[in-house]
Amino acid sequence: DAGVIQSPRHEVTEMGQEVTLRCKPISGHNSLFWYRQTMMRGLELLIYFNNNVPIDDSGMPEDRFSAKMPNASFSTLKIQPSEPRDSAVYFCASSPLYTEAFFGQGTRLTVV
Amino acid sequence: KQEVTQIPAALSVPEGENLVLNCSFTDSAIYNLQWFRQDPGKGLTSLLLIQSSQREQTSGRLNASLDKSSGRSTLYIAASQPGDSATYLCAVSSGGATNKLIFGTGTLLAVQP
Repeated sequence: DAGVIQSPRHEVTEMGQEVTLRCKPISGHNSLFWYRQTMMRGLELLIYFNNNVPIDDSGMPEDRFSAKMPNASFSTLKIQPSEPRDSAVYFCASSPLYTEAFFGQGTRLTVV
Repeated sequence: KQEVTQIPAALSVPEGENLVLNCSFTDSAIYNLQWFRQDPGKGLTSLLLIQSSQREQTSGRLNASLDKSSGRSTLYIAASQPGDSATYLCAVSSGGATNKLIFGTGTLLAVQP
């Protein structure tokens, strides 16, 4: 397996634009997580899914953020409209239930 | 609310030394604890996973221990090498019906040649 695959690796966008981040989890993993990493706040859990169902989205900072998992092999995190304070590295991770989690390489988002 | 703390925040040691990184958590009702390594500008690499019923796990020069009752875990690195330089993060999988990983703030390790 190629591991967790995220795209794009880098994204630069202007304030107010819509941004969509994509994730392909490891095949057979039941859980999928979206994290945001910044120098100030470290790694923050935004949302996670079990068997394609959102379980906890309490970490999603605002209504501008939304996440979907239409099937077991694909998830998106969307920010609309984007703001400079959304600049961060966004990670996707997947795991079998209640066991080891594996992370993608991340998407570095810069909003100017 | 689960909180995870890592001490020290940064550590610099000469090559060859054995070292210990510490992780503490406030809620002992966890499923497991995982140690990760992160190189600058990269993703997280899983090092060791300890289930809540286990006391320790070993992989090569790495040994992780877990004392769930006291809310502590340690990562022991034997015979450190410059290639071990990275940020080390611990994360706990909270108990109950959830499966979410809560991360500590990490320890930045520099091994001097």
